[in-house]
Amino acid sequence: DTEVTQTPKHLVMGMTNKKSLKCEQHMGHRAMYWYKQKAKKPPELMFVYSYEKLSINESVPSRFSPECPNSSLLNLHLHALQPEDSALYLCASSQDRYGIGSGNTIYFGEGSWLTVV
Amino acid sequence: AQTVTQSQPEMSVQEAETVTLSCTYDTSESDYYLFWYKQPPSRQMILVIRQEAYKQQNATENRFSVNFQKAAKSFSLKISDSQLGDAAMYFCAYRRGSLSGGGADGLTFGKGTHLIIQP
Repeated sequence: DTEVTQTPKHLVMGMTNKKSLKCEQHMGHRAMYWYKQKAKKPPELMFVYSYEKLSINESVPSRFSPECPNSSLLNLHLHALQPEDSALYLCASSQDRYGIGSGNTIYFGEGSWLTVV
Repeated sequence: AQTVTQSQPEMSVQEAETVTLSCTYDTSESDYYLFWYKQPPSRQMILVIRQEAYKQQNATENRFSVNFQKAAKSFSLKISDSQLGDAAMYFCAYRRGSLSGGGADGLTFGKGTHLIIQP
């Protein structure tokens, strides 16, 4: 069982809607990630938070807005999305930014399926 | 930049047989970690096995083992006694270690190998 929990599992939204994806982990990890995955492709890194601060933004359009309210929670706010943004959004976490050994392992949630209509 | 290559888009194996998935990578860094993740149809990304580059011993997890050839930059996954539940997409992934200046850089993934288990 994954210890990274994502909600909702499925989301359908219109192009003018505002919605959010939520992610929670209780493993004491201090680095959290958002990935986007299209069908038959590997995940692509979007954002990285380290100690609740945004450390990496992989040139993601501003219609995606991440937020890390505390060390256990990660949100992805969605606004004015396009149909091509439809994908599986994976949240992940790891022990800390400079993990050593097992701390370097990134653990994934089950993902949120997003459909933009 | 690091690259990860999985040259087998799809593999098929009979149940109870052994299969090997190949992965090569390219890096100039000395400190890094390699992973195999499994993604079944449910799409959850599940860690299968991890290898630290500084360790010469190949990692093993039950029926899963790796053949890590550091000089050749090769990192293959061997699945023994294949089971129907092993059917999934398998991704090889690379991550820089802290001594290479890495941190929360995320993972560099290969394109994946779709593993089919024939009953």
